[in-house]
Amino acid sequence: QKEVEQNSGPLSVPEGAIASLNCTYSDRGSQSFFWYRQYSGKSPELIMFIYSNGDKEDGRFTAQLNKASQYVSLLIRDSQPSDSATYLCAVNKNSGYSTLTFGKGTMLLVSP
Amino acid sequence: GAVVSQHPSWVICKSGTSVKIECRSLDFQATTMFWYRQFPKQSLMLMATSNEGSKATYEQGVEKDKFLINHASLTLSTLTVTSAHPEDSSFYICSAIPGQGSFSNQPQHFGDGTRLSIL
Repeated sequence: QKEVEQNSGPLSVPEGAIASLNCTYSDRGSQSFFWYRQYSGKSPELIMFIYSNGDKEDGRFTAQLNKASQYVSLLIRDSQPSDSATYLCAVNKNSGYSTLTFGKGTMLLVSP
Repeated sequence: GAVVSQHPSWVICKSGTSVKIECRSLDFQATTMFWYRQFPKQSLMLMATSNEGSKATYEQGVEKDKFLINHASLTLSTLTVTSAHPEDSSFYICSAIPGQGSFSNQPQHFGDGTRLSIL
């Protein structure tokens, strides 16, 4: 079982729709969860992070964490063509230590 | 805030050349920085964790004698690819976390990456 799994996509949504990106992880001891966005040919940029079960909202983005199910998701409301990118889920699996394990990413395509 | 600068952005050089890449935290101090490599259409692979004032911790399978890491100050880490060969061509990205120590759950902030092409 891969440590951090994401559907590679592409996930295609029309402009204005809600995009839902999912991620599962294997280590139950994982403490911190991060979503990064990576445009083609560019480095990742931080979108959101979440540490506790439940939802965390920041503008059009909502991160959802369910540690019992080992599942973290990112919702993007009112999707825009500029949101088209690869979204990387990253997990800090060692309690407190800062190394991250990344999923392979989900490509999101938002069509005008 | 939390800006990480990486230089150079692009490097094209001949096989056998050594290449140095710099990673700087511009507006914060970072005891710990990270070096990643990303091949086309693949995810980021952690190469090593760079700790200020001590030896880097390399991931399994990464040759420490080939990828030399120096973290001489709280704002600068360097990665030197020694005797680079075409198979070393990749996108190298550094990241840093604000604060001290590798015991942190704060987000990593990434530099813009260095695209290395070895001919």
